[in-house]
Amino acid sequence: GEDVEQSLFLSVREGDSSVINCTYTDSSSTYLYWYKQEPGAGLQLLTYIFSNMDMKQDQRLTVLLNKKDKHLSLRIADTQTGDSAIYFCAGNNDYKLSFGAGTTVTVRA
Amino acid sequence: NAGVMQNPRHLVRRRGQEARLRCSPMKGHSHVYWYRQLPEEGLKFMVYLQKENIIDESGMPKERFSAEFPKEGPSILRIQQVVRGDSAAYFCASSPPGQGWETQYFGPGTRLLVL
Repeated sequence: GEDVEQSLFLSVREGDSSVINCTYTDSSSTYLYWYKQEPGAGLQLLTYIFSNMDMKQDQRLTVLLNKKDKHLSLRIADTQTGDSAIYFCAGNNDYKLSFGAGTTVTVRA
Repeated sequence: NAGVMQNPRHLVRRRGQEARLRCSPMKGHSHVYWYRQLPEEGLKFMVYLQKENIIDESGMPKERFSAEFPKEGPSILRIQQVVRGDSAAYFCASSPPGQGWETQYFGPGTRLLVL
């Protein structure tokens, strides 16, 4: 199965950009995902990128995919306190999603 | 449109008891997936069900675990004779019929603690 790795913690100042990185092992993933989890809540799908794309932008979110290095990143512009959460990257093997352990993002004033 | 519902949100069981976790998919969704998150790890796929059918249970432990998605009612993940190692968060996701699996919508999870 897919192994997905991401750093565990990120602290960022309000208004700065956040960059969360992720590496994966299964090059056959057709989709790569970013999910957000707030305390006590389920996983909210933020965005996903098709594997033949390099970049996807959606308002404050920018996803970059380097397929050669199997590296995925999520950039959040103008980070706000409401962005404090755990962010999971995931790849797919058909309908089976494989998740990293999550990056806890803390936004400080 | 209500999201994916799971209950209970927290469940405490003693070793040897049974745990039943329920999942109601989003309205109009006929595909259900169960994932387990062990402490300090990412979510891992357990089972994929459609109404009255188990499509793929390759991620389920062979013993003590079972899942169903009946024609009426929620999907149930059942763990018999729980052990401490079953303590985890169990998430359910659903997707619409057809090729909708690429967008799976997750519930809030059930946190199971086995004493």
